[in-house]
Amino acid sequence: DVKVTQSSRYLVKRTGEKVFLECVQDMDHENMFWYRQDPGLGLRLIYFSYDVKMKEKGDIPEGYSVSREKKERFSLILESASTNQTSMYLCASSLRGREAFFGQGTRLTVV
Amino acid sequence: DAKTTQPPSMDCAEGRAANLPCNHSTISGNEYVYWYRQIHSQGPQYIIHGLKNNETNEMASLIITEDRKSSTLILPHATLRDTAVYYCIVSPLAGGTSYGKLTFGQGTILTVHP
Repeated sequence: DVKVTQSSRYLVKRTGEKVFLECVQDMDHENMFWYRQDPGLGLRLIYFSYDVKMKEKGDIPEGYSVSREKKERFSLILESASTNQTSMYLCASSLRGREAFFGQGTRLTVV
Repeated sequence: DAKTTQPPSMDCAEGRAANLPCNHSTISGNEYVYWYRQIHSQGPQYIIHGLKNNETNEMASLIITEDRKSSTLILPHATLRDTAVYYCIVSPLAGGTSYGKLTFGQGTILTVHP
């Protein structure tokens, strides 16, 4: 089975901290994605990557950056966390032309 | 990407078929219909997708109308574990400039009751 693993299930950080959310997939997928999910707003795409070192902005990239140094790992970085970045963060991966597989999510609270 | 319209909620009795409708009247010729579901506190799970022919797998069946403007996801024998939010999404297959990005709407909350 495809496995998409997010490093933390729950995370609490302070305003202004630099936060790293890590995602690893074990099926050699080219594409990887970061979404956030908020009540009433659904899932929204933050960034995606279609190859190592390649990245594209999604619908809501402001306040975030990403890093993909290895094919299996896609990191989401909050340079200076703010309370409005409190959310559920979901990572996904896919082969080109195939369905996406999602991780279990990281519930981030910024206080 | 084309948008979809789904009812906000539906109920189904355990053991009966659950038929979840989706309207996608502005779908383009190269766009597929995807269905995902999200069980509480988990990430979304892929169910099925199709272009214009009906599709069936071990989880569900997908019926797409001939004009492709609507579709129905069928769970043939719903169980309590099928209680989830079901998302209907239209998107080109990953490739070209789309890279398989998915635009999620609000979905349908399906509640299966005993």
